[in-house]
Parts: sequence; C-alpha cells; structure tokens
Amino acid sequence: KNQVEQSPQSLIILEGKNCTLQCNYTVSPFSNLRWYKQDTGRGPVSLTIMTFSENTKSNGRYTATLDADTKQSSLHITASQLSDSASYICVVSAGSGGGADGLTFGKGTHLIIQP
Amino acid sequence: GAGVSQTPSNKVTEKGKYVELRCDPISGHTALYWYRQSLGQGPEFLIYFQGTGAADDSGLPNDRFFAVRPEGSVSTLKIQRTERGDSAVYLCASRASGGSEQYFGPGTRLTVT
Repeated sequence: KNQVEQSPQSLIILEGKNCTLQCNYTVSPFSNLRWYKQDTGRGPVSLTIMTFSENTKSNGRYTATLDADTKQSSLHITASQLSDSASYICVVSAGSGGGADGLTFGKGTHLIIQP
Repeated sequence: GAGVSQTPSNKVTEKGKYVELRCDPISGHTALYWYRQSLGQGPEFLIYFQGTGAADDSGLPNDRFFAVRPEGSVSTLKIQRTERGDSAVYLCASRASGGSEQYFGPGTRLTVT
C-alpha cells in the first residue's frame, strides 16, 4: 500500500531559527514529490516539485531534498518568519493512471513560529 | 477570478440534512478534484472529473455522496442525510490539461451538528 509518513507531527520554533521537516514514502512507481504549504483556513499551495533525478530544489528560504534510494525527502526552512506558521504536506505521485493523479498525501507537519 | 473558488466558506447543518458545496475551477482547467480533509490529516481523495464526466469516484465513502460537473466547469458536491462524521473541510482542486500541478481552493468547512 502506498504511504507517506511525515515527522514531526508538530513543531514550535522561534522566529529566525531554521528547521527541517521529514517525509518518508513507500510509493511505487515513483513519479514526483511535492511539498505543499497550507495556511490555516486555506487550500494547499505548492512550494517545490522534485522528480526522480533531482536531489535538491530551492524556493526562496525553502529547500527540499530528495533521496530516491532511501525514499526520503526533507524540507528545510531557513531564517523562519512568522508567516511560515502553517501545515506542510508532503505529496508523492505514482504518475498518471489514477483518479487523483496517483497522489498519496502525508498528514502534514504543523509548524508554529513564535516571536 | 484567477484561482479556484469554493462556496460557501463555512456551512453548518443539522444531522440528516442535505448540503451542496460548490467549486469554481480555474478557467480552462479540464480536470477537477474533490478532497476531504479532517483535522490534523492530509487531504483524502473523493472524486475526479475530466471534463463533464467522473473519471474516478472510487474515493466517495458511500452513496450519500454525489458530485456533478454538468458543463465541464463548475462542480457541485452533494451530501445527503448528513452525519456528524461528515464534518470536515472539503477541498476542490483543478488542473490544466497536460499540466502536473493541482491548484487548490480555500475549502468549505462543513460542520454537522
């Protein structure tokens, strides 16, 4: 069964600090992996997308890594800001052919940035 | 509008009532998805439309749930005889033909009392 596990479940850090969120998956075949940011009361918004051949991708202060051999990804946030408070969801795609584009969603990491 | 919109943003209903949730996808997007998100969970797939037809409705939990997209644009998710367990945020997403990214709406928060 395809699964995406995220850790930690929740995290509280001080403004300005860095943090790293983890995602482990057992999705096959693998097509791509996305990190989404979901603000409270809003829909998820894509931060990065990584395919099998990519092992790092940055979007501003967000840097995602992918190790396709160990089936692990991380999202590193640098110099956190209060606006980074949100849930971060890891989504792995098994490619086309499935009704939901073969997407498997993690439960998310709830990140709180404290001033 | 430029993004996916959903109405209402919040809906409170009594157990046993019927509700309709509306999704306006990004103009021109042929694929439309409905998800259900419970507190502390990731989105759970319900149904996927390609144009007017439901290409995959395998995520609908039971026959109380139904969705339509009669003109290939706006979609309505319909829930009959609501139960307290139906309380969740219902997300809609759309995707352009040939594109890989789903764009999500803000969701409708449904509360069944």
